[in-house]
Amino acid sequence: DAKTTQPPSMDCAEGRAANLPCNHSTISGNEYVYWYRQIHSQGPQYIIHGLKNNETNEMASLIITEDRKSSTLILPHATLRDTAVYYCIYAGGTSYGKLTFGQGTILTVHP
Amino acid sequence: DGGITQSPKYLFRKEGQNVTLSCEQNLNHDAMYWYRQDPGQGLRLIYYSQIVNDFQKGDIAEGYSVSREKKESFPLTVTSAQKNPTAFYLCASSIHRERTEAFFGQGTRLTVV
Repeated sequence: DAKTTQPPSMDCAEGRAANLPCNHSTISGNEYVYWYRQIHSQGPQYIIHGLKNNETNEMASLIITEDRKSSTLILPHATLRDTAVYYCIYAGGTSYGKLTFGQGTILTVHP
Repeated sequence: DGGITQSPKYLFRKEGQNVTLSCEQNLNHDAMYWYRQDPGQGLRLIYYSQIVNDFQKGDIAEGYSVSREKKESFPLTVTSAQKNPTAFYLCASSIHRERTEAFFGQGTRLTVV
């Protein structure tokens, strides 16, 4: 099973950057890293994904280390509405079709 | 609007009864998934399907059954064999193999009394 390791919780001040780490040391060469977030009692929402290059979209930036064993999701200016559980997963390649989520990181943004 | 729809949002059943949760998508996605989420926990994969008439067990398939007769639909039946069926159930779909960005429904909260 695809397994990732994330800190169980993190805090961030509103307006500051939130940097959420993820370890995925067993990722294989053709598997993508995906980030989702889940606001209480809703379905998870896709944020961003990448293979080996850093990626940026309107929601966040994704930094993947050169060895691809870890990544960091960056929310550049966190708001109270970014308080959620953030999940890092990897999929594709041999694990195609089986999206396995871990426990995620509870991010709390404080005023 | 295109999207993935789960119904109902809340469902109550008596212990020992089978119950079927609906999941429909009009995104023309190939793959569909069912997850279970318990309070304060992450998502656990129950079943997934990559094409019509084919599906695979996830990590916690015991006590559940699915069918994939149509591309748009992937219903989940929680059987009486599932020992702790009370949970939040999430359905998802994704477009194709190289880019498994998944879209989730809003979930069904099942309570068995």
